[in-house]
Amino acid sequence: GAGVSQTPSNKVTEKGKYVELRCDPISGHTALYWYRQSLGQGPEFLIYFQGTGAADDSGLPNDRFFAVRPEGSVSTLKIQRTERGDSAVYLCASSPRGTVNTGELFFGEGSRLTVL
Amino acid sequence: AQRVTQPEKLLSVFKGAPVELKCNYSYSGSPELFWYVQYSRQRLQLLLRHISRESIKGFTADLNKGETSFHLKKPFAQEEDSAMYYCALSGTGANSKLTFGKGITLSVRP
Repeated sequence: GAGVSQTPSNKVTEKGKYVELRCDPISGHTALYWYRQSLGQGPEFLIYFQGTGAADDSGLPNDRFFAVRPEGSVSTLKIQRTERGDSAVYLCASSPRGTVNTGELFFGEGSRLTVL
Repeated sequence: AQRVTQPEKLLSVFKGAPVELKCNYSYSGSPELFWYVQYSRQRLQLLLRHISRESIKGFTADLNKGETSFHLKKPFAQEEDSAMYYCALSGTGANSKLTFGKGITLSVRP
């Protein structure tokens, strides 16, 4: 009875390395969201997919961050040339509807990224 | 731009005391407001949404457009209410995103 699944749960990497974080949403959910949560902060929006396309990527902080969802299901968040400031918990959420205002978001447990 | 402000980081009360977790928002249109909760070692989950006008686990929240607030209230706190609470806002457009506040830790002591 699967909820949103995120892997890895923990990732430690060195500054300058490339990282991929994976999200497997609830089956049938068309909408998928990525958030980033730094210590002491609320979840910060990064990007939202409706199906295969990115409907809103306005939260991606810079061009080192990129996300894909090629088949409209699993999504991968990619971070190039990681920096210490990228250290955070990266949350994925899915929703059965296209808009958040009529439905709820179902969150994964997050991927904790630490950049040394 | 949409913004959510939770002015307090921590609220500590005794069991049976009333609870009010404050949330103020900024949004130019008609927002949809939510409260999400994260219990220890669990994932973030929806607690309630203002359009449903529901009471969940004894919690209620009323949208006050004049004061741009959506405070979460419970008359008698229980120990199991101890958690992190986030207020969140969405616009009403087709691709609206959910914007969260910084959250508040509620600690209910026995």
